Amino acid sequence: NAGVTQTPKFRILKIGQSMTLQCTQDMNHNYMYWYRQDPGMGLKLIYYSVGAGITDKGEVPNGYNVSRSTTEDFPLRLELAAPSQTSVYFCASTPSGENIQYFGAGTRLSVL
Amino acid sequence: AQSVTQPDIHITVSEGASLELRCNYSYGATPYLFWYVQSPGQGLQLLLKYFSGDTLVQGIKGFEAEFKRSQSSFNLRKPSVHWSDAAEYFCAVGNTDKLIFGTGTRLQVFP
Repeated sequence: NAGVTQTPKFRILKIGQSMTLQCTQDMNHNYMYWYRQDPGMGLKLIYYSVGAGITDKGEVPNGYNVSRSTTEDFPLRLELAAPSQTSVYFCASTPSGENIQYFGAGTRLSVL
Repeated sequence: AQSVTQPDIHITVSEGASLELRCNYSYGATPYLFWYVQSPGQGLQLLLKYFSGDTLVQGIKGFEAEFKRSQSSFNLRKPSVHWSDAAEYFCAVGNTDKLIFGTGTRLQVFP
């Protein structure tokens, strides 16, 4: 049971480039989340999804997009990378009714 | 407004000493409460949770937390810290859909 898998683990982007952070879970969880973690700031919710085909904005959605075409996958898209998006990104998932979030190992992104 | 405050950014203790990490929250209803731990370079792992019932909850790795409604607090405790407990600890509050995380407390353990 792999849990929540994030790829890549590390990435360096140039300003203006685009990329997709991948997140896959094999636990058949309905809820999935994307967070960013900045030093001293804790985790901020970017987007979340309560099921396939349904997504909603979190606290800091600007500059990001998501899609949820399947239960397993919840990719996060950066269209025009900016230095302010340098951060560690975490994906998490929760089964319906359990209220516990299971986290991936994170993607460390630098935009230079 | 809903928020979580962890007033201690960094705590240093000696191995074998007791530990208490503070967490205060502001939330409209009775929240679900969580403590997560993050080891360097890793994702977050659930230590313990409070949904209802007994206000003293036990978690993994010998940790416990006490929910005090009157103080809007959910402090994390451990009677004897091990060197392997060095990590960052996050308190979180929320409901069925979303969590609000505190800014974290970094724990350093000296031998």
